[in-house]
Amino acid sequence: QQQVKQSPQSLIVQKGGIPIINCAYENTAFDYFPWYQQFPGKGPALLIAIRPDVSEKKEGRFTISFNKSAKQFSLHIMDSQPGDSATYFCAASSTGGYQKVTFGTGTKLQVIP
Amino acid sequence: SAVISQKPSRDICQRGTSLTIQCQVDSQVTMMFWYRQQPGQSLTLIATANQGSEATYESGFVIDKFPISRPNLTFSTLTVSNMSPEDSSIYLCSAAGGANYGYTFGSGTRLTVV
Repeated sequence: QQQVKQSPQSLIVQKGGIPIINCAYENTAFDYFPWYQQFPGKGPALLIAIRPDVSEKKEGRFTISFNKSAKQFSLHIMDSQPGDSATYFCAASSTGGYQKVTFGTGTKLQVIP
Repeated sequence: SAVISQKPSRDICQRGTSLTIQCQVDSQVTMMFWYRQQPGQSLTLIATANQGSEATYESGFVIDKFPISRPNLTFSTLTVSNMSPEDSSIYLCSAAGGANYGYTFGSGTRLTVV
């Protein structure tokens, strides 16, 4: 059974737009929620992560919003650029992140100039 | 975060043969993992590589097919044994813990079995 559901599967936005990627989880034991960015031919790279004791975290143009009661979290990319075109994976793990990570299905983002 | 060197980066292998993939981390890490990723798909965890003991495999993956070694806190290998075309995929090593918190991935090994 898939434990982390991610949507949309793909997303096209204009430069400067704010793409939003949504994820939902089922396992209440999860306490670490990272987002990864993957470019073709490369391994995933950690972008930003959040713990359930905060509702929002910002790092540069990337923001995670977290709703613990709804078991949902989302990634917002402010002022998106063509260089942000990549596949984004949400993920979740437990025990502070030092356990196996469960990945979402991925969102392929294309930012059009 | 830790830097992972994974090799080979790609290989084309004959069915029935075996390939060993190496993963070297530039610092000691607590956890190491092996994932498989089909092109355009998400990542599927194969196993957790435990230092000094047998790896912990996920459902659908067995030691005879994917033997894993982890002799120390910076190195692990994954062997894909008796390969078939269905094993064609990208194999990724990941590490967590150590001096800097967070998961890091290698660039992957693109395996094609013919």
